[in-house]
Amino acid sequence: QQQVKQSPQSLIVQKGGISIINCAYENTAFDYFPWYQQFPGKGPALLIAIRPDVSEKKEGRFTISFNKSAKQFSLHIMDSQPGDSATYFCAASPSIQGAQKLVFGQGTRLTINP
Amino acid sequence: NAGVMQNPRHLVRRRGQEARLRCSPMKGHSHVYWYRQLPEEGLKFMVYLQKENIIDESGMPKERFSAEFPKEGPSILRIQQVVRGDSAAYFCASSLRTSGIVEQFFGPGTRLTVL
Repeated sequence: QQQVKQSPQSLIVQKGGISIINCAYENTAFDYFPWYQQFPGKGPALLIAIRPDVSEKKEGRFTISFNKSAKQFSLHIMDSQPGDSATYFCAASPSIQGAQKLVFGQGTRLTINP
Repeated sequence: NAGVMQNPRHLVRRRGQEARLRCSPMKGHSHVYWYRQLPEEGLKFMVYLQKENIIDESGMPKERFSAEFPKEGPSILRIQQVVRGDSAAYFCASSLRTSGIVEQFFGPGTRLTVL
């Protein structure tokens, strides 16, 4: 119930291509879905986040697609660049006060080939 | 505007020693979360604290681990009698709000190695 399943574990994309990472959840109490980007030796940094009242959110080259009925959400990185090479984590959280712990997916190691 | 600060960045301990990890939240943030990241894995929630209160410690191991967030000073994650399995990266995050969307900002982490 508390799990967030993320796939694929690793992904190699050519420069300029589209990177797609998928996540699925079970807990219907989750209503906040952020994506974090982590470079080696660094802490996770918030990339983009979505609430379930919208089906898509776009910020620059990054887009989250959200399917509430399927309990799935995905990150699309358009025109992928070598600087996007990092590990990406999806996460989920309820916004109920006092219960805001983030449940993370297992991570996707993305490599963009030049 | 400093972000979340953690120290030390790297900590080496021998089995049986104590490890103390410190976290200073972003200015104005009064909510602190600790997460543990094992190699090649995602982050796992450990504990959520507000000033002087533990709100949720459902992810904390029952023994040897404790956390505090005093009225003054940083939050401390304490691991007593460390074992090799405690080797991991420990991340602290802080947030400002108490309800609704709670955006968490992460520190750079403390990498604990137990010899």
